[in-house]
Amino acid sequence: SQKIEQNSEALNIQEGKTATLTCNYTNYSPAYLQWYRQDPGRGPVFLLLIRENEKEKRKERLKVTFDTTLKQSLFHITASQPADSATYLCALDTGRRALTFGSGTRLQVQP
Amino acid sequence: EAQVTQNPRYLITVTGKKLTVTCSQNMNHEYMSWYRQDPGLGLRQIYYSMNVEVTDKGDVPEGYKVSRKEKRNFPLILESPSPNQTSLYFCASSTRDSTTKNIQYFGAGTRLSVL
Repeated sequence: SQKIEQNSEALNIQEGKTATLTCNYTNYSPAYLQWYRQDPGRGPVFLLLIRENEKEKRKERLKVTFDTTLKQSLFHITASQPADSATYLCALDTGRRALTFGSGTRLQVQP
Repeated sequence: EAQVTQNPRYLITVTGKKLTVTCSQNMNHEYMSWYRQDPGLGLRQIYYSMNVEVTDKGDVPEGYKVSRKEKRNFPLILESPSPNQTSLYFCASSTRDSTTKNIQYFGAGTRLSVL
């Protein structure tokens, strides 16, 4: 069956360090993979999109990698700040219908 | 301002009392979806619509109905709510052009409690 897993339910790091979140999937062939940020009580907000033929995408302090052989995406936040504390969701787009989301990783950046 | 508007934001109801959650978007998007979010289960798609009068079931459609009579509106209907439909609901819209590639724009959410 199709499955999306985000590495851990929660991740705690110190301010200034790099946070690395993992998204693994099985039995999908996604055309695109997206990452969203969700703050408590609010809707997810789009951050980055990466295509199946792209290895890496960057936006300011954010970096996403996509390895279709390993069926894995890594999401990095460099020089993390307490304001980066939120839940981060990965989502797969197979090109057929709406997205399929992972359950998210809650990131807590300690000052 | 581009946005997806859901109403109400909070709703407490009783088992069996029909309710509708409204969703409206002002971005002229073709695609609209409803998701529910539960602890540990993440976002699960209930229904989606590819355009006016075109809808299809998502992963958890049981107990829900939708309609898409106008491009901007996509209401979610619970004909006979039950306690297992207590959840946080999100409406989202998107388009599949070459730039935006099905990026979802979410509403602020509706927290529903069914007693």
